[in-house]
Amino acid sequence: SQKIEQNSEALNIQEGKTATLTCNYTNYSPAYLQWYRQDPGRGPVFLLLIRENEKEKRKERLKVTFDTTLKQSLFHITASQPADSATYLCALAGTNAGKSTFGDGTTLTVKP
Amino acid sequence: GAVVSQHPSRVICKSGTSVKIECRSLDFQATTMFWYRQFPKKSLMLMATSNEGSKATYEQGVEKDKFLINHASLTLSTLTVTSAHPEDSSFYICSAREGTTSTDTQYFGPGTRLTVL
Repeated sequence: SQKIEQNSEALNIQEGKTATLTCNYTNYSPAYLQWYRQDPGRGPVFLLLIRENEKEKRKERLKVTFDTTLKQSLFHITASQPADSATYLCALAGTNAGKSTFGDGTTLTVKP
Repeated sequence: GAVVSQHPSRVICKSGTSVKIECRSLDFQATTMFWYRQFPKKSLMLMATSNEGSKATYEQGVEKDKFLINHASLTLSTLTVTSAHPEDSSFYICSAREGTTSTDTQYFGPGTRLTVL
């Protein structure tokens, strides 16, 4: 069955450092991979989408890589700030039906 | 960006009663809406996909007679939890999408916390 694993449940880093979150998947050939941010008690907010034929995508302090050979995506936040503290979810989608399958998320805490 | 609202944000009900949750896209027409359920520190579990004017497509293991979904217009979808029981207590989140492909952005609502006593 399809499985998505996000590297760790929690990640703590110091302000200013780069946070790196991992999303691994098995038994899946996604056409697209998305990253979302979710704050406690709130719905997820879309951050970035990367297609299977794209290696890397950037948006401001965010960078996402997608390695279909390793079946892995890395999500980087550079110059991290306490306001970046949240749970980050990766989601995979195929080309049909348009449904996304979500990972359990990694809770990032950036300490000042 | 696009805004999706949910109402109510929080509801407490007695076991055996039915609860209706509304999901509205405020500034765009949502061809497709999704309903998710989320347990603490867990992933979003897709319950069903609804397209305006047609019956919802439920995921395996989701009882369609218990979780009634109606997508009567391009801006409104409702989820009714019928004869709710304590095990139905959860965080329910909807999302709305303007297009029909997986690259079209899903905009999520703020969620509804349901507690069944």
